[in-house]
Amino acid sequence: EAQVTQNPRYLITVTGKKLTVTCSQNMNHEYMSWYRQDPGLGLRQIYYSMNVEVTDKGDVPEGYKVSRKEKRNFPLILESPSPNQTSLYFCASSLAGTYQETQYFGPGTRLLVL
Amino acid sequence: AQTVTQSQPEMSVQEAETVTLSCTYDTSENNYYLFWYKQPPSRQMILVIRQEAYKQQNATENRFSVNFQKAAKSFSLKISDSQLGDTAMYFCAFMKHGNDMRFGAGTRLTVKP
Repeated sequence: EAQVTQNPRYLITVTGKKLTVTCSQNMNHEYMSWYRQDPGLGLRQIYYSMNVEVTDKGDVPEGYKVSRKEKRNFPLILESPSPNQTSLYFCASSLAGTYQETQYFGPGTRLLVL
Repeated sequence: AQTVTQSQPEMSVQEAETVTLSCTYDTSENNYYLFWYKQPPSRQMILVIRQEAYKQQNATENRFSVNFQKAAKSFSLKISDSQLGDTAMYFCAFMKHGNDMRFGAGTRLTVKP
């Protein structure tokens, strides 16, 4: 089954404790992206990647890192999480990242930073 | 910068009735795509319908259709014969050439029995 998976689905952590949220897709998509969803703000793009070893900042990249060492994986790293990073996070992918394509979303990761 | 505005934070509709969700956007681009995504309580993001800006014909997917007014930069979603399973958050989204996808703040739709 074609899908985007994220782990963990739920995470509670404390300020300053490094964490990684994994994202994997099995559709051989070149384009992957991370969003955060906050009430009243919709989804905002954090980082995106057009291909292996190619990453770029989205709207709200501060406090986040990403890497793309393999086509299928695009982990989101919070080196020193803060409470304002409490949010619902979505990973998405599409074949080549062009505007004609539909993005496929993962199930979401709910993060609480205390 | 492109912005997407959904002016209705919440809406409700009786089962089997029709409801229209509004979306406007701001862009100077000529070629772009517009999407409606549904987010049920499970929090999954599900594509409902999409529209290519260069097409004049409005997109339709079963009970879902759009009214795309390019000059007015308006992209409303009409849900016909509303069902209880349509209860969800609906997001309008805009994507232009490249990879920059912008979402509206969402409209929470409740279908009442």
